[in-house]
Amino acid sequence: KAGVTQTPRYLIKTRGQQVTLSCSPISGHRSVSWYQQTPGQGLQFLFEYFSETQRNKGNFPGRFSGRQFSNSRSEMNVSTLELGDSALYLCASSLLGTLNTGELFFGEGSRLTVL
Amino acid sequence: GNSVTQMEGPVTLSEEAFLTINCTYTATGYPSLFWYVQYPGEGLQLLLKATKADDKGSNKGFEATYRKETTSFHLEKGSVQVSDSAVYFCALSEQTSGSRLTFGEGTQLTVNP
Repeated sequence: KAGVTQTPRYLIKTRGQQVTLSCSPISGHRSVSWYQQTPGQGLQFLFEYFSETQRNKGNFPGRFSGRQFSNSRSEMNVSTLELGDSALYLCASSLLGTLNTGELFFGEGSRLTVL
Repeated sequence: GNSVTQMEGPVTLSEEAFLTINCTYTATGYPSLFWYVQYPGEGLQLLLKATKADDKGSNKGFEATYRKETTSFHLEKGSVQVSDSAVYFCALSEQTSGSRLTFGEGTQLTVNP
């Protein structure tokens, strides 16, 4: 079956702009979580959505937001972009979002460059 | 809070060498532990996991044992291949944290023929 699909794969924005990234989870998976990957900070958890509700949130400013639709597809939005937002944004899906019995399936990521 | 510390990289080995990547963790409860691997240009893939003390996770010749007394989850492989070249991440999750993984810094492994 198809894996986790993220779009766009690459994008370039300028400071102050906003960006929306999309994630389509594996069919049947109801949990979608987002991670930011940078050389300096590594992999950091942004948030998780389950059945259209945000279930968990990391320590990121309010400029970072997300949502999940009824078909489990998710989007994340970053407003008023800063240079430090340049990163690989990874989306991961899981069946129920409980890692003790399952696993996260990651997409290939959306690479955002802020100029 | 939770944290994961991995040995500093990068690590360069010759084919068929023995691999160890150290991982230690700090957690408030009884976490599950994972090793994820990221091949060039790809997303992360789960390599192996262990959900309780003394469990051993294994996959593709890689092994790691959950050691509660030393709060460690070291990754080992007896004979690495060129195709094992990738970045390896140790991670943990608490039972109540849903899909929230806490990752280590990652260790770049390069295997030369």
